[in-house]
Amino acid sequence: DAKTTQPPSMDCAEGRAANLPCNHSTISGNEYVYWYRQIHSQGPQYIIHGLKNNETNEMASLIITEDRKSSTLILPHATLRDTAVYYCIVRYLTGGFKTIFGAGTRLFVKA
Amino acid sequence: GAVVSQHPSWVICKSGTSVKIECRSLDFQATTMFWYRQFPKQSLMLMATSNEGSKATYEQGVEKDKFLINHASLTLSTLTVTSAHPEDSSFYICSARDTGTGVDEQFFGPGTRLTVL
Repeated sequence: DAKTTQPPSMDCAEGRAANLPCNHSTISGNEYVYWYRQIHSQGPQYIIHGLKNNETNEMASLIITEDRKSSTLILPHATLRDTAVYYCIVRYLTGGFKTIFGAGTRLFVKA
Repeated sequence: GAVVSQHPSWVICKSGTSVKIECRSLDFQATTMFWYRQFPKQSLMLMATSNEGSKATYEQGVEKDKFLINHASLTLSTLTVTSAHPEDSSFYICSARDTGTGVDEQFFGPGTRLTVL
């Protein structure tokens, strides 16, 4: 079973920041937090991952709470093309490497 | 990032026939590949993990005799849906694990939509 909990859907205005929360209260010390997204009828696309420090790349920022029980993916300036299902996943970096998807959050970016 | 391809992108077949789906890692070698199935408006469900040169490991509830997986090379894994029935109609997605120097990441293919009539 997935180890994360996400809201089923969210709306965001185009050009505004989209903040997608994820709860992973049972995360273990060696598990990373990964975010993927899936645009309709396509394969999932990697966005970002982190262990305990905040991370930023060209797509998004990942904020992980100090106790690591939750995180937030931030899309700083959402566009219509960011409309997708966003999946938060916890996974070991090596060893038991298996990506189990939960229900995800369906993000609607509106003009 | 690395590229994973799938072929075909969509297929329609008659009930009772078998269908083979190919998954290729185009610019890296993948000792491990994964197969997922996704029904409409649902999340991806992991079906099996395939390791090059060995038997696939199937998730609980997935029939290994119905979903045959072959991972004969470091760049190719195939999923054969045998004796397909309408309930097998789904979106099948593969992914490949890239463990190249400094990398350990999983890349996903574009998916194959199977429709069984």
